[in-house]
This record gives sequence, structure tokens and C-alpha cells, in this order.
Amino acid sequence: DTGVSQDPRHKITKRGQNVTFRCDPISEHNRLYWYRQTLGQGPEFLTYFQNEAQLEKSRLLSDRFSAERPKGSFSTLEIQRTEQGDSAMYLCASSAQTAGRETQYFGPGTRLLVL
Amino acid sequence: AQSVAQPEDQVNVAEGNPLTVKCTYSVSGNPYLFWYVQYPNRGLQFLLKYITGDNLVKGSYGFEAEFNKSQTSFHLKKPSALVSDSALYFCAVRATGGKLIFGQGTELSVKP
Repeated sequence: DTGVSQDPRHKITKRGQNVTFRCDPISEHNRLYWYRQTLGQGPEFLTYFQNEAQLEKSRLLSDRFSAERPKGSFSTLEIQRTEQGDSAMYLCASSAQTAGRETQYFGPGTRLLVL
Repeated sequence: AQSVAQPEDQVNVAEGNPLTVKCTYSVSGNPYLFWYVQYPNRGLQFLLKYITGDNLVKGSYGFEAEFNKSQTSFHLKKPSALVSDSALYFCAVRATGGKLIFGQGTELSVKP
């Protein structure tokens, strides 16, 4: 399978715990995006990387959130001191930058439940 | 600011009938528009996109979308709906930097 993969698919944690999600993009895609989707809503942009550089962060990304893409391949999204409001589906997408005409391909998502 | 609106939370269609899922957008400059489909507990699957050129864009699974600049719309269409088309559909516009801004989604229900 050469699509975007995410791990874990589901995560249940207690409030105050730290969680980390991983995303493996399609090979050779230089852009990687993170989105958050809550029930009944469309995905909302969190942050994106071009290669290993984090180029933009949404205001939704509080100080408790951090994302990395250390070698320009896979990425991790960490949430510290989780809150119940962090419960959502976290989606990763990757694309090959082509003069703005890129298509983002999404992974299956990680569903987080904070108790 | 760029935005997308999907005015219908739900669309109900009988199998075999044509379907339309509506989307309107607001952007400065030329819009890059997308449609994605989401099945329960799954990620988003790309259906089609409009970048430039023909106003009628053909995509996966028999779907097409019509770009209308004067009405700032990008409606998703299919001539004959299938029960398996039942899913959540999202319209999106490419914003500055490449991120996508999504609509709220429209739940399509196709009944036999």
C-alpha cells in the first residue's frame, strides 16, 4: 500500500496525559499537512511542512501541540496535557508541490478520545 | 478571507436518480477547488478538482463538478446515484500556502 498511513488508528487517554501520533506520507511527497476534524464538522487546518520545515501553524495549534518532521519523511504530532476538548479525528495529508496545483491525499486518521 | 459553504447538511436521493451536492466559495483571485468523500470512520478520499480550463470537471466513481465563476459555485453531480455513494461529501478551496479550507460537509443518502 503506497497511500498515507497513520498510527495509531484509535487512542483513548485520560485528561492530562500526553499523546503522540505518527503520519507516514506517500513516498517522495514533500508536503505534509495535519488537520483536525470534530464531529459534524469539516477538517480544520493545524500545520504543514515542506520537507522538514514547518511553514505554517494555525491559531488552533495551542502551545500544548507540537509537530515535527525531522528528516522530511514521517511526521509526529504530540499533544501535551490533553484536555477533553482535544477529542477529535486527527488527519494527515501529503502532496507533491506542483506550482500550486497539488492534490492532498489523506490518511485514515487517528481518532482521539480524552476521558 | 477564503471560505467555502455547503448549504445543505443532508441530501436524499433515490437510487438511479441524478444527484447534486452544492458548494459555494469565496476567494480572492482564481480558485482551486476540490471535492472529497468520507466514509464512516475513514479519512478523506479525493474525488476531483478544478484548477483551470473546462468548467465541467470529471472525477472518480462517475462524479463530475461544474465550476461557475459568476455564481461562485462548484456543485458536485452524478447522473445516476448508487446506494454505495452514501457518504459525507466535503468541498474545499486551496488557501494561501496550500492548506485546504473545507465546508461543513453534506451527508448524501441514496435509498434503494
